[in-house]
Amino acid sequence: EDQVTQSPEALRLQEGESSSLNCSYTVSGLRGLFWYRQDPGKGPEFLFTLYSAGEEKEKERLKATLTKKESFLHITAPKPEDSATYLCAVHIGRNSGGYQKVTFGTGTKLQVIP
Amino acid sequence: SQTIHQWPATLVQPVGSPLSLECTVEGTSNPNLYWYRQAAGRGLQLLFYSVGIGQISSEVPQNLSASRPQDRQFILSSKKLLLSDSGFYLCAWSVLETVGAAFFGQGTRLTVV
Repeated sequence: EDQVTQSPEALRLQEGESSSLNCSYTVSGLRGLFWYRQDPGKGPEFLFTLYSAGEEKEKERLKATLTKKESFLHITAPKPEDSATYLCAVHIGRNSGGYQKVTFGTGTKLQVIP
Repeated sequence: SQTIHQWPATLVQPVGSPLSLECTVEGTSNPNLYWYRQAAGRGLQLLFYSVGIGQISSEVPQNLSASRPQDRQFILSSKKLLLSDSGFYLCAWSVLETVGAAFFGQGTRLTVV
């Protein structure tokens, strides 16, 4: 069964303390991996798309990387406004019925303390 | 620029009552449209997916249905709500080539009482 697992479930950092969030997947035929940020009570906000192992994307203090089994979201010198839940999702193409299969992880809740 | 509107933001409905949530997208044509449900502690669950007017796909059997009467309008409905239908419902759109890179609405918090 296709699975997406994010770790840790929650992470508390001091402002300026860099760290990484993990998204591991066991799927066949990965078509893309996506990172989102979600603030409480809001819809997810799209951050990055990664398509192949070795690919990297950056946006401000965030950098996403991809290997054949997992992706990391590196947060460099985080600020309190980076506090949010970070979700990853994988796209594994279509099933036999033509249905697009995108599976989300349960997220990592990040809290950055001033 | 593209925008997505989803309403209402919150909704409290009694068991057995009907449901209609509406979502509209502006600034793009022929988008893929999605309805997701997010339960506490669980990942987003894709409920319905549409590639065009009148074309709805669903892999999850449930008490809900979806319709796409216009290119940029997506509606989630139920004839009789169950307690288990409570949750955070999200509408999203994407372009075909980047189906996993979706842009989400602000969500509807549905509580069935």
